[in-house]
This record gives sequence, C-alpha cells and structure tokens, in this order.
Amino acid sequence: GQQLNQSPQSMFIQEGEDVSMNCTSSSIFNTWLWYKQDPGEGPVLLIALYKAGELTSNGRLTAQFGITRKDSFLNISASIPSDVGIYFCAGLYYTGTASKLTFGTGTRLQVTL
Amino acid sequence: NAGVTQTPKFRVLKTGQSMTLLCAQDMNHEYMYWYRQDPGMGLRLIHYSVGEGTTAKGEVPDGYNVSRLKKQNFLLGLESAAPSQTSVYFCASRKSTTVAYGYTFGSGTRLTVV
Repeated sequence: GQQLNQSPQSMFIQEGEDVSMNCTSSSIFNTWLWYKQDPGEGPVLLIALYKAGELTSNGRLTAQFGITRKDSFLNISASIPSDVGIYFCAGLYYTGTASKLTFGTGTRLQVTL
Repeated sequence: NAGVTQTPKFRVLKTGQSMTLLCAQDMNHEYMYWYRQDPGMGLRLIHYSVGEGTTAKGEVPDGYNVSRLKKQNFLLGLESAAPSQTSVYFCASRKSTTVAYGYTFGSGTRLTVV
C-alpha cells in the first residue's frame, strides 16, 4: 500500500528550539492532517489543512499544504518537554463520502532540557 | 465523553490461538476503521466499515476478520494468530459527513504473539 515519505525519522532537540518536519507523496490529496501520538496513546489530531497553499497555525504549531497538493510541512516553535512524541502526517483523499487516509511513517521528537 | 474505547489494552497470545479485539464508540459515528502500527511503518488499514452490517478490506486484511453487528461496535478477530501479527492495533471512527476533519482514534491494543 501507499505510504507517505516523512522526514526526519527522529529528532533530538533542546528545549526552546524550533522544529520542522515534512511529508511528500507521489499522489495528490484533498486534505493534509498532522497527528501527534503520545506513548501508549492513539494519534490525536493537531492541524487539518484543506486547500493547496493553505498555512494554518494552532498555538506554537504551523503547518502548510503544499501548492502541488503532494506535500506538507509542520513547524513547532519554541519546543517544550511536552512536545515529546511521534508526529504523523496523513494525506486524505476523498470523493463524496468515500475516503482513504494514508499515514506517513512518523517523526519521533525528543526534547532535552 | 469516552470517545473511542478499545479493549483489551494488552494481550499476549500463543501462535495459533484466536482472539477478538473490541472497539466501541459513543459518538454515533457511521464509519469505523481498524489499523495496525508497526515500527517505521506508520499506520496501515486492515478493515473498515461504513455502517452497521457492512465491512470492507483495507490494505493489509489477510489473517483478520471483522464484524459490525451494532453501529457502536467494531470487532477485529484473529482466527489463528501468527508472530507477524505482533503489533499495536488502533481503532478509529468518524461521521459520514465529516470526511475532511480526520478520524478519532482509540488508545490502542498492544498484541504480542509468541
């Protein structure tokens, strides 16, 4: 099955630093989603992007839907310890009510004090 | 507001044993999904259901069966467990009218097959 190329696979950063991660695909999507997964929990939606070129913020998080509809990035500014976790991008393609959600392979973020 | 609840949270099976994972949602969602998560692989869709009494195969359905007898419940069955089915299993749901808003996930079931 199709998977998205997500990079980097892991990051070790110091508290206060900014973080950037991205996803690329060979297919176009209607919607890009960014999820965060804490240890022992399921993914939780952080940001949803609905239009090519769209730039959306949610607190310290900023994400963009690429113009080609085949890529997206997520930035986290001024990281804090609770940002630790695995971040997944997901591309959603839908027609009518039928949909297919494809996940990236994840970026594991570690924040040191 | 419980959202999506998965039981059990952990399970160890011997090769060849069978078991059923239960997913329950209290949000009146029509669509429900079962994913498996393996290291470095992201989440992959096993089976899904677009409504009570209906199921369909995802991208990795072999070795699994599902049933959706009630709208709020989606069961994932392993008839004869294999070590390759060691994984973390996630259930998700969404309303049929909110396709663009993503899915709500449960907290997962960690299954080990020895």
